Amino acid sequence: GAGVSQSPSNKVTEKGKDVELRCDPISGHTALYWYRQSLGQGLEFLIYFQGNSAPDKSGLPSDRFSAERTGGSVSTLTIQRTQQEDSAVYLCASSPQGQSYEQYFGPGTRLTVT
Amino acid sequence: KQEVTQIPAALSVPEGENLVLNCSFTDSAIYNLQWFRQDPGKGLTSLLLIQSSQREQTSGRLNASLDKSSGRSTLYIAASQPGDSATYLCAVGAQKLVFGQGTRLTINP
Repeated sequence: GAGVSQSPSNKVTEKGKDVELRCDPISGHTALYWYRQSLGQGLEFLIYFQGNSAPDKSGLPSDRFSAERTGGSVSTLTIQRTQQEDSAVYLCASSPQGQSYEQYFGPGTRLTVT
Repeated sequence: KQEVTQIPAALSVPEGENLVLNCSFTDSAIYNLQWFRQDPGKGLTSLLLIQSSQREQTSGRLNASLDKSSGRSTLYIAASQPGDSATYLCAVGAQKLVFGQGTRLTINP
């Protein structure tokens, strides 16, 4: 079946602009996660959605970062007033309902802030 | 705060060898441990998931073990092939995975 998809695959933006990154999870998966992978910091958790519960935003690095999940499916990660340190690969993952929490990752969006 | 360490950072071996990748974590109260591979410019592919009540998992030529008391996991790759060349990441947690920095593995034909 189809895996997690993300768009765009690459995004170049100027410092100060807002960007939106999209994630389509595996159909039927109830949990959705965003991570960031950068050279200096490795892979870091950003935010987690589970069903209709309030998201866990504990990993968001600043209030310039926000995310929403519409209809329990597609998610959008928004970065406002982008900075050069936001340059990274943003990875989305999803997992099915149940206790295993095995996460399946998408290909990522490479964000470059110039 | 959970910290995950992977040693070595890079490993290069000839084709056909068996090899072991190591992962250690500081807090033994983990829910899951998951091993991934990442090819250059790609996302993560899940290889094996070990739940906290389990000691090991096997998939094909891969075997992962978990020793919570010592805070360690190993990924054993049998009869390595050039296609196994990738970065291998371990991660612990449930919803919020904490990742190691990875081991970059090169299998030489």
